Amino acid sequence: AQTVTQSQPEMSVQEAETVTLSCTYDTSENNYYLFWYKQPPSRQMILVIRQEAYKQQNATENRFSVNFQKAAKSFSLKISDSQLGDTAMYFCAFSGHQGGSEKLVFGKGMKLTVNP
Amino acid sequence: NAGVTQTPKFRILKIGQSMTLQCAQDMNHNYMYWYRQDPGMGLKLIYYSVGAGITDKGEVPNGYNVSRSTTEDFPLRLELAAPSQTSVYFCASSYGTGGNQPQHFGDGTRLSIL
Repeated sequence: AQTVTQSQPEMSVQEAETVTLSCTYDTSENNYYLFWYKQPPSRQMILVIRQEAYKQQNATENRFSVNFQKAAKSFSLKISDSQLGDTAMYFCAFSGHQGGSEKLVFGKGMKLTVNP
Repeated sequence: NAGVTQTPKFRILKIGQSMTLQCAQDMNHNYMYWYRQDPGMGLKLIYYSVGAGITDKGEVPNGYNVSRSTTEDFPLRLELAAPSQTSVYFCASSYGTGGNQPQHFGDGTRLSIL
Protein backbone atom coordinates (compact mmCIF):
# COMPACT_ATOMS: atom_id res chain seq x y z
CA ALA A 1 0.00 0.00 0.00
CA GLN A 2 1.09 3.53 -0.68
CA THR A 3 2.02 5.72 2.26
CA VAL A 4 2.79 9.42 2.52
CA THR A 5 4.91 10.82 5.35
CA GLN A 6 5.21 14.41 6.44
CA SER A 7 7.67 14.39 9.30
CA GLN A 8 7.49 18.08 10.24
CA PRO A 9 4.24 18.75 12.13
CA GLU A 10 4.72 22.50 12.31
CA MET A 11 6.91 25.30 10.96
CA SER A 12 6.99 29.06 11.19
CA VAL A 13 8.67 31.59 8.92
CA GLN A 14 8.93 35.34 8.61
CA GLU A 15 7.10 37.13 5.84
CA ALA A 16 9.12 37.32 2.59
CA GLU A 17 11.35 34.41 3.57
CA THR A 18 11.60 31.10 1.73
CA VAL A 19 10.43 27.88 3.36
CA THR A 20 10.63 24.24 2.32
CA LEU A 21 8.10 21.60 3.38
CA SER A 22 9.21 17.99 3.18
CA CYS A 23 7.29 14.91 2.08
CA THR A 24 8.33 11.34 1.43
CA TYR A 25 6.24 8.52 0.04
CA ASP A 26 6.41 4.82 -0.52
CA THR A 27 5.14 2.99 -3.59
CA SER A 28 6.10 0.17 -5.91
CA GLU A 29 4.49 1.91 -8.88
CA ASN A 30 6.40 3.68 -11.59
CA ASN A 31 3.73 6.01 -12.90
CA TYR A 32 1.87 8.20 -10.42
CA TYR A 33 1.06 11.76 -9.42
CA LEU A 34 1.99 13.82 -6.39
CA PHE A 35 0.17 16.84 -5.04
CA TRP A 36 0.43 19.57 -2.46
CA TYR A 37 -2.86 20.83 -1.04
CA LYS A 38 -3.31 23.89 1.14
CA GLN A 39 -5.97 24.08 3.85
CA PRO A 40 -6.34 27.59 5.35
CA PRO A 41 -8.38 28.23 8.51
CA SER A 42 -11.44 28.45 6.29
CA ARG A 43 -11.01 24.67 5.95
CA GLN A 44 -11.23 24.64 2.16
CA MET A 45 -8.84 22.24 0.42
CA ILE A 46 -6.96 24.08 -2.31
CA LEU A 47 -4.68 22.43 -4.86
CA VAL A 48 -1.32 24.20 -4.82
CA ILE A 49 0.78 22.20 -7.26
CA ARG A 50 1.05 18.75 -8.80
CA GLN A 51 3.82 16.65 -10.29
CA GLU A 52 3.65 13.77 -12.73
CA ALA A 53 6.17 11.08 -11.87
CA TYR A 54 7.26 10.46 -15.43
CA LYS A 55 8.23 14.11 -15.88
CA GLN A 56 11.76 14.89 -14.75
CA GLN A 57 11.19 18.65 -14.73
CA ASN A 58 10.06 20.00 -11.38
CA ALA A 59 6.66 21.69 -11.39
CA THR A 60 6.39 25.41 -10.69
CA GLU A 61 3.37 27.61 -9.97
CA ASN A 62 4.30 31.22 -9.33
CA ARG A 63 5.92 31.32 -5.84
CA PHE A 64 5.48 27.57 -5.36
CA SER A 65 7.88 24.97 -6.70
CA VAL A 66 8.69 21.38 -5.94
CA ASN A 67 11.86 19.34 -5.67
CA PHE A 68 10.88 15.91 -6.93
CA GLN A 69 13.46 13.19 -6.32
CA LYS A 70 11.93 10.01 -7.72
CA ALA A 71 14.70 7.63 -6.69
CA ALA A 72 14.60 8.93 -3.14
CA LYS A 73 10.78 9.09 -3.17
CA SER A 74 10.91 12.64 -1.96
CA PHE A 75 8.57 15.50 -2.91
CA SER A 76 9.29 18.78 -1.14
CA LEU A 77 7.45 22.07 -1.60
CA LYS A 78 9.31 25.37 -1.68
CA ILE A 79 7.41 28.57 -1.00
CA SER A 80 9.32 31.70 -2.00
CA ASP A 81 8.58 35.21 -0.73
CA SER A 82 6.20 33.89 1.94
CA GLN A 83 3.03 35.87 2.48
CA LEU A 84 0.69 36.06 5.44
CA GLY A 85 -1.96 34.35 3.32
CA ASP A 86 0.26 31.29 3.05
CA THR A 87 -0.53 30.48 6.68
CA ALA A 88 -2.33 27.13 6.47
CA MET A 89 -2.09 23.40 6.84
CA TYR A 90 -0.25 21.82 3.92
CA PHE A 91 -0.93 18.26 2.84
CA CYS A 92 1.16 16.13 0.55
CA ALA A 93 -0.85 13.56 -1.42
CA PHE A 94 -0.16 10.61 -3.73
CA SER A 95 -2.29 9.21 -6.52
CA GLY A 96 -1.41 5.94 -8.22
CA HIS A 97 -3.03 3.08 -10.07
CA GLN A 98 -2.97 0.34 -7.47
CA GLY A 99 -6.21 -1.61 -7.23
CA GLY A 100 -7.39 -0.48 -10.63
CA SER A 101 -8.64 2.85 -9.46
CA GLU A 102 -6.76 6.02 -8.65
CA LYS A 103 -7.38 7.42 -5.22
CA LEU A 104 -5.63 10.10 -3.21
CA VAL A 105 -3.56 9.10 -0.19
CA PHE A 106 -2.78 12.01 2.12
CA GLY A 107 -0.03 12.67 4.60
CA LYS A 108 -0.90 13.95 8.09
CA GLY A 109 -0.19 17.53 7.14
CA MET A 110 2.06 20.31 8.35
CA LYS A 111 0.99 23.58 9.92
CA LEU A 112 2.79 26.57 8.41
CA THR A 113 2.62 29.94 10.10
CA VAL A 114 3.90 33.04 8.32
CA ASN A 115 4.68 35.82 10.78
CA PRO A 116 4.70 39.55 9.94
CA ASN B 1 -19.41 28.61 -10.52
CA ALA B 2 -20.72 26.62 -7.56
CA GLY B 3 -18.27 23.71 -7.92
CA VAL B 4 -18.78 21.17 -5.13
CA THR B 5 -21.48 22.10 -2.62
CA GLN B 6 -21.83 20.38 0.74
CA THR B 7 -24.70 20.74 3.17
CA PRO B 8 -24.97 21.23 6.07
CA LYS B 9 -21.78 23.02 7.15
CA PHE B 10 -22.19 22.07 10.80
CA ARG B 11 -24.26 19.48 12.61
CA ILE B 12 -24.50 18.01 16.08
CA LEU B 13 -26.00 14.56 16.42
CA LYS B 14 -26.85 12.37 19.38
CA ILE B 15 -25.46 8.86 19.57
CA GLY B 16 -27.65 6.47 17.58
CA GLN B 17 -29.22 9.13 15.38
CA SER B 18 -28.96 8.99 11.62
CA MET B 19 -28.38 11.66 9.04
CA THR B 20 -27.39 12.26 5.44
CA LEU B 21 -24.60 14.57 4.36
CA GLN B 22 -25.39 16.07 1.00
CA CYS B 23 -22.91 16.67 -1.82
CA ALA B 24 -23.63 18.09 -5.24
CA GLN B 25 -21.35 19.13 -8.09
CA ASP B 26 -22.21 21.08 -11.21
CA MET B 27 -19.07 20.36 -13.23
CA ASN B 28 -20.37 17.15 -14.88
CA HIS B 29 -17.63 15.18 -13.15
CA ASN B 30 -17.77 11.40 -13.32
CA TYR B 31 -15.80 10.72 -10.17
CA MET B 32 -16.93 11.66 -6.68
CA TYR B 33 -15.38 10.98 -3.29
CA TRP B 34 -16.10 11.22 0.43
CA TYR B 35 -13.29 11.80 2.90
CA ARG B 36 -13.13 12.31 6.63
CA GLN B 37 -10.52 14.40 8.38
CA ASP B 38 -9.86 13.73 12.05
CA PRO B 39 -8.02 16.33 14.18
CA GLY B 40 -4.32 16.54 13.31
CA MET B 41 -4.66 14.05 10.49
CA GLY B 42 -4.87 14.00 6.73
CA LEU B 43 -7.95 13.02 4.80
CA LYS B 44 -9.00 9.39 4.62
CA LEU B 45 -11.21 8.03 1.86
CA ILE B 46 -14.58 6.65 2.97
CA TYR B 47 -16.33 5.84 -0.33
CA TYR B 48 -15.98 6.83 -3.94
CA SER B 49 -17.97 6.59 -7.15
CA VAL B 50 -16.79 6.36 -10.74
CA GLY B 51 -20.19 7.18 -12.20
CA ALA B 52 -23.93 7.06 -11.61
CA GLY B 53 -24.97 3.73 -10.13
CA ILE B 54 -21.39 2.69 -9.24
CA THR B 55 -19.88 3.04 -5.77
CA ASP B 56 -16.99 1.38 -3.97
CA LYS B 57 -15.41 1.34 -0.53
CA GLY B 58 -12.41 3.36 0.41
CA GLU B 59 -10.10 3.02 3.38
CA VAL B 60 -12.62 3.66 6.21
CA PRO B 61 -16.15 2.68 5.03
CA ASN B 62 -17.55 1.12 8.22
CA GLY B 63 -20.59 2.92 9.59
CA TYR B 64 -21.36 4.73 6.32
CA ASN B 65 -23.41 4.17 3.19
CA VAL B 66 -23.53 6.00 -0.12
CA SER B 67 -25.59 6.07 -3.26
CA ARG B 68 -25.08 7.67 -6.67
CA SER B 69 -28.36 7.88 -8.53
CA THR B 70 -27.32 10.90 -10.60
CA THR B 71 -24.04 12.30 -11.88
CA GLU B 72 -24.49 15.43 -9.78
CA ASP B 73 -25.28 14.03 -6.33
CA PHE B 74 -23.38 11.76 -3.96
CA PRO B 75 -24.96 11.68 -0.48
CA LEU B 76 -23.25 10.05 2.50
CA ARG B 77 -25.44 8.40 5.13
CA LEU B 78 -24.67 7.66 8.75
CA GLU B 79 -27.18 5.11 10.05
CA LEU B 80 -26.26 4.86 13.75
CA ALA B 81 -24.07 7.76 14.72
CA ALA B 82 -21.18 6.96 17.05
CA PRO B 83 -18.71 9.30 18.80
CA SER B 84 -15.91 7.87 16.63
CA GLN B 85 -17.61 9.47 13.64
CA THR B 86 -17.01 12.96 14.97
CA SER B 87 -14.96 14.49 12.20
CA VAL B 88 -14.90 16.94 9.32
CA TYR B 89 -16.27 15.41 6.14
CA PHE B 90 -15.17 16.48 2.68
CA CYS B 91 -16.75 15.68 -0.63
CA ALA B 92 -14.70 15.94 -3.81
CA SER B 93 -15.15 15.37 -7.51
CA SER B 94 -13.00 14.99 -10.59
CA TYR B 95 -13.61 14.61 -14.31
CA GLY B 96 -11.32 11.62 -14.62
CA THR B 97 -9.10 9.45 -12.52
CA GLY B 98 -7.14 11.10 -9.75
CA GLY B 99 -3.77 12.09 -11.09
CA ASN B 100 -4.50 13.49 -14.48
CA GLN B 101 -7.66 15.27 -13.36
CA PRO B 102 -7.22 16.88 -9.93
CA GLN B 103 -9.98 16.59 -7.39
CA HIS B 104 -12.08 19.62 -6.49
CA PHE B 105 -13.19 19.79 -2.87
CA GLY B 106 -16.25 21.15 -1.13
CA ASP B 107 -15.95 23.31 1.99
CA GLY B 108 -16.56 20.43 4.37
CA THR B 109 -19.16 19.48 6.98
CA ARG B 110 -18.16 19.56 10.65
CA LEU B 111 -20.05 16.79 12.43
CA SER B 112 -20.07 16.23 16.18
CA ILE B 113 -21.60 13.15 17.79
CA LEU B 114 -22.48 13.61 21.46
